[in-house]
Amino acid sequence: GAVVSQHPSWVICKSGTSVKIECRSLDFQATTMFWYRQFPKQSLMLMATSNEGSKATYEQGVEKDKFLINHASLTLSTLTVTSAHPEDSSFYICSASFPGQDGTYGYTFGSGTRLTVV
Amino acid sequence: AQKVTQAQTEISVVEKEDVTLDCVYETRDTTYYLFWYKQPPSGELVFLIRRNSFDEQNEISGRYSWNFQKSTSSFNFTITASQVVDSAVYFCALSELQDSSYKLIFGSGTRLLVRP
Repeated sequence: GAVVSQHPSWVICKSGTSVKIECRSLDFQATTMFWYRQFPKQSLMLMATSNEGSKATYEQGVEKDKFLINHASLTLSTLTVTSAHPEDSSFYICSASFPGQDGTYGYTFGSGTRLTVV
Repeated sequence: AQKVTQAQTEISVVEKEDVTLDCVYETRDTTYYLFWYKQPPSGELVFLIRRNSFDEQNEISGRYSWNFQKSTSSFNFTITASQVVDSAVYFCALSELQDSSYKLIFGSGTRLLVRP
C-alpha cells in the first residue's frame, strides 16, 4: 500500500517553456505532499510542502512563482516549472506522508522526474 | 545548522567486508522519526527503516543492522558481509514537526561502493 505514481519519468524541454510534473497517490489519500529537488551527486533538498486545498509552503530560497505547486485533490499534486532554464535541470521527486497503524508517520516516494532543459 | 550530518561522503570496501555508515542528527523535539533510504543509480528511493524517538532498540534485518543512540544523537547503519548489489547512495533522514507538518529532511548521503 501507500504507492505514489509520478509522471513523467523524464522530460526534455526548451529553455523558456513550462513543464508540469504530476504526482498521484494510488491507494490512499495524501493530505500532505512534499516536493524535492536533487542535483547530481547531491542530496534531496526539500522545495515545498503542499496540503490539499491550501497554498503550498515553500522552503527558504525556493521561488514560488517559478515552481508552482497545486494540490487540488487528496490524490493529486502537481509541480509546474515555469519558464524553465538550463539551471533548473535536475531530478525532481515527490513524496507523500501517511499515518501508520501505530500512530507514526511514514513517507512514500514517487520514482522521480529527470528534467533536462536545453 | 545542519539537521542531519553524514560525514562520510564516499566509502569503498571489498565484497564481504562489514561497513558502517554514520548519521548524526540534531533536533529540539522529543518526538521525531529517523529513516534510512537507499538510492541506487536508477534514482528511486528504497525505504530501509524507520525509527521513532521513543524506541531506542537496535534492529537487525538480515545483513542490515541499525544502532540508535539518543545520548549521542546518532543513528548508524551497518551492512554485514557487503555485496556488490549494496553499492548505492544511502541517505539518513529526520522527520520532525515544522510548520504543522512532519517534514523529512535528508542528510547529504554516503556513496557506498562495494568492489568484487
